[in-house]
Amino acid sequence: AQKITQTQPGMFVQEKEAVTLDCTYDTSDPSYGLFWYKQPSSGEMIFLIYQGSYDQQNATEGRYSLNFQKARKSANLVISASQLGDSAMYFCAMREGSIFNKFYFGSGTKLNVKP
Amino acid sequence: EAQVTQNPRYLITVTGKKLTVTCSQNMNHEYMSWYRQDPGLGLRQIYYSMNVEVTDKGDVPEGYKVSRKEKRNFPLILESPSPNQTSLYFCASSRRSGNSMSGTEAFFGQGTRLTVV
Repeated sequence: AQKITQTQPGMFVQEKEAVTLDCTYDTSDPSYGLFWYKQPSSGEMIFLIYQGSYDQQNATEGRYSLNFQKARKSANLVISASQLGDSAMYFCAMREGSIFNKFYFGSGTKLNVKP
Repeated sequence: EAQVTQNPRYLITVTGKKLTVTCSQNMNHEYMSWYRQDPGLGLRQIYYSMNVEVTDKGDVPEGYKVSRKEKRNFPLILESPSPNQTSLYFCASSRRSGNSMSGTEAFFGQGTRLTVV
């Protein structure tokens, strides 16, 4: 089974509007972390936000927030007030707390912000 | 400045000619890994290392080798490259997690775009 599933290969959003990028995960490890990364067209991977499995509150970092629904195993990224510079590929990732400490990445969502 | 440095950034090579992509990090991270990125497939882990002399296969290890002789370096070796290894490669490093995963995000190198003809 896929560890991380991102079902939206591409999305469009109007500038200044909010957008939600979906991510579901699969793990039986009670300790895990969820991460979102942004990859602009220049190619570098930029860390955006982190959510721990034991965290009670949803994580927020500026215009980014993570809608964490543990029972549904979903960790959606919400970008508020989209900007043209938000156009990029976005990857959801999970790291399990087991001894192997592995990272798993989704296939990504390409976000295009329209002026 | 904390960083992961990969070299080269771009490489065009011929089938069968051995090559090495270097990766170095200056953050004293225990965990290092290599990924390849292909359209529609996201990042797939090739190999990872939890510490010096400790390496293990990821999801797509065939055709690749790694070594971890020093904590800061984790080179990726393609002994006999083939066209299906044409891809964008990333090296990443991170702390090992303790009781909390906070602060254990992966730091990525700039990427190496490899073309095998």
